[in-house]
Amino acid sequence: DAKTTQPTSMDCAEGRAANLPCNHSTISGNEYVYWYRQIHSQGPQYIIHGLKNNETNEMASLIITEDRKSSTLILPHATLRDTAVYYCIVEGSNYKLTFGKGTLLTVNP
Amino acid sequence: GAGVSQTPSNKVTEKGKYVELRCDPISGHTALYWYRQSLGQGPEFLIYFQGTGAADDSGLPNDRFFAVRPEGSVSTLKIQRTERGDSAVYLCASSLTRTINTGELFFGEGSRLTVL
Repeated sequence: DAKTTQPTSMDCAEGRAANLPCNHSTISGNEYVYWYRQIHSQGPQYIIHGLKNNETNEMASLIITEDRKSSTLILPHATLRDTAVYYCIVEGSNYKLTFGKGTLLTVNP
Repeated sequence: GAGVSQTPSNKVTEKGKYVELRCDPISGHTALYWYRQSLGQGPEFLIYFQGTGAADDSGLPNDRFFAVRPEGSVSTLKIQRTERGDSAVYLCASSLTRTINTGELFFGEGSRLTVL
């Protein structure tokens, strides 16, 4: 599976949009981009995934560049409860997700 | 609730002892995963079941680790002759079906294992 690069940490003000970047320059054509988050002392929680097109659900939006070498997860109105480690994962056809260290997003009041 | 249930939530044992960790997946989920997470790290893949069979056990660190899912539902992760380095949170996840990709994994809260 393609390796991902994410910033170690980010801060965001409550009520503002949080934009979390992810680089996956070695992604191949059949690999999906997944985002999970992990709030302290809990199991990871699925957020969203996509292949080529931008995706939106009730939690977030996923913007994938046209060359698919990077993506951005957008939380449109961050709340204090969104403070968590966010993992960007590229998954191919081997049915397992390989987690990196992720980005610690801290939402400040 | 109807989520993934893991027991025990905490387990403290002594070096050299045998440990079993249990996972009850969401009803009807055919795929089941075990991960382990050390402090400050992301979850590390251990094993993946599709139904009763282990489809991929490439993440098991050595032969002290073994997992079963005899009826395609509940799974047990077994660790023999525990070592201090086995201390971690062991996470279980399940998903509805095997499609062209992993799909949405539903994780449990984890079992925290401490080996003294």
